[in-house]
Amino acid sequence: ETGVTQTPRHLVMGMTNKKSLKCEQHLGHNAMYWYKQSAKKPLELMFVYSLEERVENNSVPSRFSPECPNSSHLFLHLHTLQPEDSALYLCASSQALAANEQFFGPGTRLTVL
Amino acid sequence: SQQGEEDPQALSIQEGENATMNCSYKTSINNLQWYRQNSGRGLVHLILIRSNEREKHSGRLRVTLDTSKKSSSLLITASRAADTASYFCATSYSGYSTLTFGKGTMLLVSP
Repeated sequence: ETGVTQTPRHLVMGMTNKKSLKCEQHLGHNAMYWYKQSAKKPLELMFVYSLEERVENNSVPSRFSPECPNSSHLFLHLHTLQPEDSALYLCASSQALAANEQFFGPGTRLTVL
Repeated sequence: SQQGEEDPQALSIQEGENATMNCSYKTSINNLQWYRQNSGRGLVHLILIRSNEREKHSGRLRVTLDTSKKSSSLLITASRAADTASYFCATSYSGYSTLTFGKGTMLLVSP
């Protein structure tokens, strides 16, 4: 257990569905991250939040919408996804934005039909 | 691309043998980190080496850093079947507040 939980662990959705991924960290960290992990590709950083403010958005399509209501919770809202969005979505947190170590959740395996 | 590149992409060894993985990167770094990922799970931080350090140890792990060659290596000694996982290097670059990950090395340790 890393202190970072993600729900759901698995999600299958159609292209017209709307769903949300949830991440919660119990470590008192100030920075949270969403990553996308696809087969045979490097981990892609999607969004970064520091003290509930979005500080980085790496050209992610608007069908992905993050939300950080407080420093312990991070959501990724999904709508009208494409099959190529199927991947493992990982949430991570760190003590501060430039901190040395990131703590990862177990991920949500997303399949878009 | 600024991401690290791990080498080899895949490595298969027997229990008890040593495993060596390498990571190369392109620009000046603040630090370099190694993470492990068991199949379909999240990443777990293993070890961090700063740009002014040359070698670090943690249990059966030994990490070296050669900033002149922009490369790092991770050595796992006396490997066990439980070491089977993917290993990623992640670099923290000067002027950037986030990490950049490589594609990883998949290690298989057979009993």
